[in-house]
Amino acid sequence: SQQGEEDPQALSIQEGENATMNCSYKTSINNLQWYRQNSGRGLVHLILIRSNEREKHSGRLRVTLDTSKKSSSLLITASRAADTASYFCATDGTGRRALTFGSGTRLQVQP
Amino acid sequence: DTAVSQTPKYLVTQMGNDKSIKCEQNLGHDTMYWYKQDSKKFLKIMFSYNNKELIINETVPNRFSPKSPDKAHLNLHINSLELGDSAVYFCASSQQPGTGVYEQYFGPGTRLTVT
Repeated sequence: SQQGEEDPQALSIQEGENATMNCSYKTSINNLQWYRQNSGRGLVHLILIRSNEREKHSGRLRVTLDTSKKSSSLLITASRAADTASYFCATDGTGRRALTFGSGTRLQVQP
Repeated sequence: DTAVSQTPKYLVTQMGNDKSIKCEQNLGHDTMYWYKQDSKKFLKIMFSYNNKELIINETVPNRFSPKSPDKAHLNLHINSLELGDSAVYFCASSQQPGTGVYEQYFGPGTRLTVT
């Protein structure tokens, strides 16, 4: 079964608004990562947060991690039309040398 | 200077045929992966190689056989293609630390359509 589940599955907002996506996972992890996939393209790494970190920022991105709830959120502030893409969380279960990806959130930013 | 490249980008073939997808990375990474993304966008690990050694082989049919001639290349050969093999296949690479998995760099994908 999928380790990570994103919520919502789809999100449509206006340019300038903030977008929040959530991810839940099932097992212990070393780190959690977020990736973006534009239509018809490969995945691009956005940010990595370690299991001992609670919050991390990168530009307009803010990621939080709550290991007690096995959940993470990705916040994109002041969204742009170019942010339109699918966003995936990915986890590496302890002892597992591969990433397990969630089901993704499709974000549509209306200009 | 593409970091991770795959060929071909599109592959249309008939059931029962054998086909290969090639992947190359110029990032100097030790670990390479093959993922399958289905029509619902689920991305699932298939294989992982570290320094030419197979370290992950998920529950993938024997018809799929990866080959790593050197640590910069990881090819995927598929025998006796079936309709259910239609998907987008992604190659990726990363550094491999002692614990955890670092950020992965993905190729552009190969869209395989089996008719």
